[in-house]
Amino acid sequence: DTAVSQTPKYLVTQMGNDKSIKCEQNLGHDTMYWYKQDSKKFLKIMFSYNNKELIINETVPNRFSPKSPDKAHLNLHINSLELGDSAVYFCASSLTSQGPEAFFGQGTRLTVV
Amino acid sequence: AQSVTQLGSHVSVSEGALVLLRCNYSSSVPPYLFWYVQYPNQGLQLLLKYTTGATLVKGINGFEAEFKKSETSFHLTKPSAHMSDAAEYFCAVWYRDDKIIFGKGTRLHILP
Repeated sequence: DTAVSQTPKYLVTQMGNDKSIKCEQNLGHDTMYWYKQDSKKFLKIMFSYNNKELIINETVPNRFSPKSPDKAHLNLHINSLELGDSAVYFCASSLTSQGPEAFFGQGTRLTVV
Repeated sequence: AQSVTQLGSHVSVSEGALVLLRCNYSSSVPPYLFWYVQYPNQGLQLLLKYTTGATLVKGINGFEAEFKKSETSFHLTKPSAHMSDAAEYFCAVWYRDDKIIFGKGTRLHILP
């Protein structure tokens, strides 16, 4: 019973395509995040949702659009994929009342060719 | 700007030797501090955290870290390295604005 699960684990696609990554958590957490990890392992937050409401929206191209249908899900849709979007994308969740300690999914390795 | 700095992108230690990974933060207000570990092709796993109280924090797998306000540091240590400790380690801080900031990571290599 995985706590934070992402699908797919690997995604290879051509430039210009539109793709989605799904994330689900079964921890009862109220905050979910998307992080991007580049080839140098640098981890940067992209978005944060609390109870389905967007809290953090870092400087991310508007081709990236998060969607939170409910507290347990936070999906990431990417339009018009570019080579520079290749990275590992991590979903994470936390419980606000217990601080920001985040639990991470296994990551989705996106390769744009 | 608030930041967190990890000194050394790569650290090599011999098996059985002391592990020391350095982390410094920039803030006059002590943040919450975390160390995460990332094994190859895995997500991040929390090793330990400091919020308030005792400044020496013990985590999983024999790791511990000490919060030193005067040095704005939160270095990670382990008395005796094991081959299974080889991984990427991330220091992270939270300044109570809902955003966790991660350091750039330190790759720990264990030499046989």
